[in-house]
Amino acid sequence: DTEVTQTPKHLVMGMTNKKSLKCEQHMGHRAMYWYKQKAKKPPELMFVYSYEKLSINESVPSRFSPECPNSSLLNLHLHALQPEDSALYLCASSQTQRGTSYEQYFGPGTRLTVT
Amino acid sequence: GQSLEQPSEVTAVEGAIVQINCTYQTSGFYGLSWYQQHDGGAPTFLSYNGLDGLEETGRFSSFLSRSDSYGYLLLQELQMKDSASYFCAVRDDRRAGSYQLTFGKGTKLSVIP
Repeated sequence: DTEVTQTPKHLVMGMTNKKSLKCEQHMGHRAMYWYKQKAKKPPELMFVYSYEKLSINESVPSRFSPECPNSSLLNLHLHALQPEDSALYLCASSQTQRGTSYEQYFGPGTRLTVT
Repeated sequence: GQSLEQPSEVTAVEGAIVQINCTYQTSGFYGLSWYQQHDGGAPTFLSYNGLDGLEETGRFSSFLSRSDSYGYLLLQELQMKDSASYFCAVRDDRRAGSYQLTFGKGTKLSVIP
C-alpha cells in the first residue's frame, strides 16, 4: 500500500470557524509533512514531523496547528483563517526525514476555501 | 539565499525528447529530486540524484552536476499523458538536521500531437 489519504477533499470555512484536515499513511513511514500549494505555484513546506515529533515549523502562523497522534496519522488544525490561506493543502510522507526525504509520497490534498 | 531556476513552460511533440533544466543555489546541498504533477493531482516522485551523473528510470532520466549546480530531467518517447508540471526540488541541510525539500517554480510541459 503506497497510498497517502487525506480528508476532506474540499473544505469551505469562514474566518471564525475551526476545522481540521486529516492525513493517514500505512507504509510505515516515520516522516510526515504538510505543504501548502497555491495555484500554478510549487508546494511550500509548512511542517515536518519525524518519529511523531515536530521537526520543522517553517514560521507558519499560529492559526495553523499541526498534530501527530501516532506514526500513521497527521492532522492540521485550522482556526481563524484568512482568505489568503485558501489553497491546496498537501500531506506527504517518506520513510525517514534524514535518509529518504528526497522521495516523498503525496496525498491528493484538501482544497481549502476561506470565505 | 536559496534559489532554483527552471523554465516556466515547454512544448514538445509526441514521440520526441525533451529536456527540462534546473539550476540551483543553496547551502548544505544533498541532492536533486524531480516530481511530476498533473493538473488537479498530487506531486509524484520521479527521480533523485544524490551524486553526479545520470539516473535512468524507463523513459525518464535525470542528471546532476554538483560542480555546476545544475541538473536536468530528460523525457524520451513523449506521450500525451506526460503533459504535466515538472518540479525540481533540492534536498538540503541548510538547517542542520532538516534534510528538507525546496521546490522550484515548476515547468509546465505541453505535449502536442
